[in-house]
Amino acid sequence: AQTVTQSQPEMSVQEAETVTLSCTYDTSESNYYLFWYKQPPSRQMILVIRQEAYKQQNATENRFSVNFQKAAKSFSLKISDSQLGDTAMYFCAFRRGDDKIIFGKGTRLHILP
Amino acid sequence: EAGVTQFPSHSVIEKGQTVTLRCDPISGHDNLYWYRRVMGKEIKFLLHFVKESKQDESGMPNNRFLAERTGGTYSTLKVQPAELEDSGVYFCASSPTELGGGYEQYFGPGTRLTVT
Repeated sequence: AQTVTQSQPEMSVQEAETVTLSCTYDTSESNYYLFWYKQPPSRQMILVIRQEAYKQQNATENRFSVNFQKAAKSFSLKISDSQLGDTAMYFCAFRRGDDKIIFGKGTRLHILP
Repeated sequence: EAGVTQFPSHSVIEKGQTVTLRCDPISGHDNLYWYRRVMGKEIKFLLHFVKESKQDESGMPNNRFLAERTGGTYSTLKVQPAELEDSGVYFCASSPTELGGGYEQYFGPGTRLTVT
């Protein structure tokens, strides 16, 4: 079975600090996509960053970057210079070849002023 | 460009009643998905439409759930009769069809369903 595990249910960091959210997944597929989604308290879920499994280079989007370790099936998200607006629920997700997205349970991140 | 919209944002119904959730995808998106998050659990896939056809409905919990997508535009998800365990947040997402795949699914704000 394909699963996504987020081991940190909740985290808090001070504004401007760097924080890393952990994610591991399990799959037998060779080609897939990994995502981090962010859901702020207003509930609209948006894509933060995407990684294609066939690409070795880690994806980066401004202050957001990933550490993709394919052999270890690990896909962590690093947020640099965290801001109050980064407060949200973060979901790690895996997209199979049939388009289904498998989500983790989420990590609730609080950025403290 | 308008995003994915869902209606209502919140619904409270009694066990045994019927509720219909609506999703309007981004215009031009052929793919429409329904997901559900029960409190404290993962967001789980329910089904996938390509235009008006059901591509995959393997995640639908049981026959009390009926999804339709009229004319390949908006979609409805009806729960009849609702049970307590149906409570949760129902998300809709849409995506275009692009060569090579890798397209992003755009999510709506969700409908919070509470069955009492």
